[in-house]
Amino acid sequence: DGGITQSPKYLFRKEGQNVTLSCEQNLNHDAMYWYRQDPGQGLRLIYYSQIVNDFQKGDIAEGYSVSREKKESFPLTVTSAQKNPTAFYLCASSIKGTEDTQYFGPGTRLTVL
Amino acid sequence: DAKTTQPNSMESNEEEPVHLPCNHSTISGTDYIHWYRQLPSQGPEYVIHGLTSNVNNRMASLAIAEDRKSSTLILHRATLRDAAVYYCILRGYQTGANNLFFGTGTRLTVIP
Repeated sequence: DGGITQSPKYLFRKEGQNVTLSCEQNLNHDAMYWYRQDPGQGLRLIYYSQIVNDFQKGDIAEGYSVSREKKESFPLTVTSAQKNPTAFYLCASSIKGTEDTQYFGPGTRLTVL
Repeated sequence: DAKTTQPNSMESNEEEPVHLPCNHSTISGTDYIHWYRQLPSQGPEYVIHGLTSNVNNRMASLAIAEDRKSSTLILHRATLRDAAVYYCILRGYQTGANNLFFGTGTRLTVIP
């Protein structure tokens, strides 16, 4: 089955620790994205990548880092510099670019204690 | 940035049609109108998109105003499984990443 997987579904971390969220896709899509969603709010773009080894900051990139070493994978690291990291994190991909339909993973709910 | 405006919430009775409106008065000529929906605790899923003409698929219909400044997502017979937040978004080559923005959308409640 083709799709996007995110793991884990729930993640708990202590304040001050870095944590990496996984996102994998087997859709052969070039573009991948990370969004953050807070309760009752819309999605805000953190980072996106349109090609391997290249990525751009979104609206709220501070305190986050990404890598895109493989086409299928786009991990997101939430660093200790992120002031309020507790949120629902969503990964998405699209065929080529930002004009294409996006396909979303199931999300990871991160809680920082 | 070209943004969209949607009502915060709407209600519908089960098995009745639902019309979800979206205003996008600053849409550019090359922007597509996309609709996604998000069920609780899940990622958004694509519903439908269009440029100028009305569009139909198995999930819904999209009616686009002649001046393209507004559109309406139509669910022909609402079911309880259609209860979700519906997002109207603009996508285009010129829009680019600057408008990879999902607002708060419209929360649809379906009443049995």
